[in-house]
Amino acid sequence: GAGVSQSPSNKVTEKGKDVELRCDPISGHTALYWYRQSLGQGLEFLIYFQGNSAPDKSGLPSDRFSAERTGGSVSTLTIQRTQQEDSAVYLCASSPSVGRAFFGQGTRLTVV
Amino acid sequence: DAKTTQPPSMDCAEGRAANLPCNHSTISGNEYVYWYRQIHSQGPQYIIHGLKNNETNEMASLIITEDRKSSTLILPHATLRDTAVYYCIASSHSGSARQLTFGSGTQLTVLP
Repeated sequence: GAGVSQSPSNKVTEKGKDVELRCDPISGHTALYWYRQSLGQGLEFLIYFQGNSAPDKSGLPSDRFSAERTGGSVSTLTIQRTQQEDSAVYLCASSPSVGRAFFGQGTRLTVV
Repeated sequence: DAKTTQPPSMDCAEGRAANLPCNHSTISGNEYVYWYRQIHSQGPQYIIHGLKNNETNEMASLIITEDRKSSTLILPHATLRDTAVYYCIASSHSGSARQLTFGSGTQLTVLP
């Protein structure tokens, strides 16, 4: 595709369940970011992948959150034992090694 | 990344130029100034970036002061569709980890 694709676009889950959010970056982009945005709030950095380097996980809020990027392309953000405070829009972005980042439309996660 | 400071909100009349200021007094020599915007319920969109020189593209112009401690994003003829939160970010292109740290941004409202 031409842009960053995220799936699902919406996800409703029960408290305590695990969820997986998927990001398909733009082909050839070596950098990939995950952010989350709670209602009415700014973007909170979660994790950053750059090529084969160790990811920057400094933004992950707890050990319930993890992310991987397979083959330098698709990334999956996993949230274990979801809590209501995890409800937010989760945004993925990709970028060439330097320069502008392209964002997807996000996954709206609602934990009930 | 250097911290940036922006006014929380601004209004602009439709058809007039919108001038959005950003202070980045602690910016280092290798940090670029990036501007993104986020229209309600969408992912952030890249607008423009620069290092030292003024830049112009089809969306906007970026004016960076000679001491690089502040910059102004100019939308030359604002339309209602330019209503959005505008984020100014200082980010290095070097290093193995490069976060894009989004602050609170400026809510620009274009008035008819």
